[in-house]
Amino acid sequence: DAGVIQSPRHEVTEMGQEVTLRCKPISGHDYLFWYRQTMMRGLELLIYFNNNVPIDDSGMPEDRFSAKMPNASFSTLKIQPSEPRDSAVYFCASRRTGGANEKLFFGSGTQLSVL
Amino acid sequence: GNSVTQMEGPVTLSEEAFLTINCTYTATGYPSLFWYVQYPGEGLQLLLKATKADDKGSNKGFEATYRKETTSFHLEKGSVQVSDSAVYFCALSEGAGGTSYGKLTFGQGTILTVHP
Repeated sequence: DAGVIQSPRHEVTEMGQEVTLRCKPISGHDYLFWYRQTMMRGLELLIYFNNNVPIDDSGMPEDRFSAKMPNASFSTLKIQPSEPRDSAVYFCASRRTGGANEKLFFGSGTQLSVL
Repeated sequence: GNSVTQMEGPVTLSEEAFLTINCTYTATGYPSLFWYVQYPGEGLQLLLKATKADDKGSNKGFEATYRKETTSFHLEKGSVQVSDSAVYFCALSEGAGGTSYGKLTFGQGTILTVHP
């Protein structure tokens, strides 16, 4: 299995531009999570989906952030317009329901820099 | 709400030294507890877990015991290696009876550097 795949690995953009981060979960996983990692706040859960439906988006910082999951194999996190304080590493993770050894599989992250 | 507090880092050790990274938590129910490890340039990986009081999770020489009376889940390793250099995160998940919904609350992370 290829694992959770995120793209791009690095994104540098200017303030005010739209940014789209992409994630392909592991096939067969029915939960998908978006996390943000910063030095100041550590790892924060932004939103998670179950069977492509957003379940909890209370961690999304503001209306500039939106996430979609149009099908079981693809999700996007969009920031519009981007601001310098959005600079962080964004992780996507997935897992499946059930099983004796449930665990969360993380992608390698997208390093976002907003200038 | 739930919270996780880790000892502040960074931690720098010599190879073969003993490692302890402290972790305490606050939760309303009976959470599952985890340690994740993040190697440079990679995503987090589950290192070990414990789902109920007095359970001991272990993997790759690392151990942690779920202590409900002290609400702690300290990570230990008897002899660290250079390859253990990474960031370590303590985390808990909501749910009872060991059920993990994957909605994790993470500590701030502790950077470990091991020198030869």
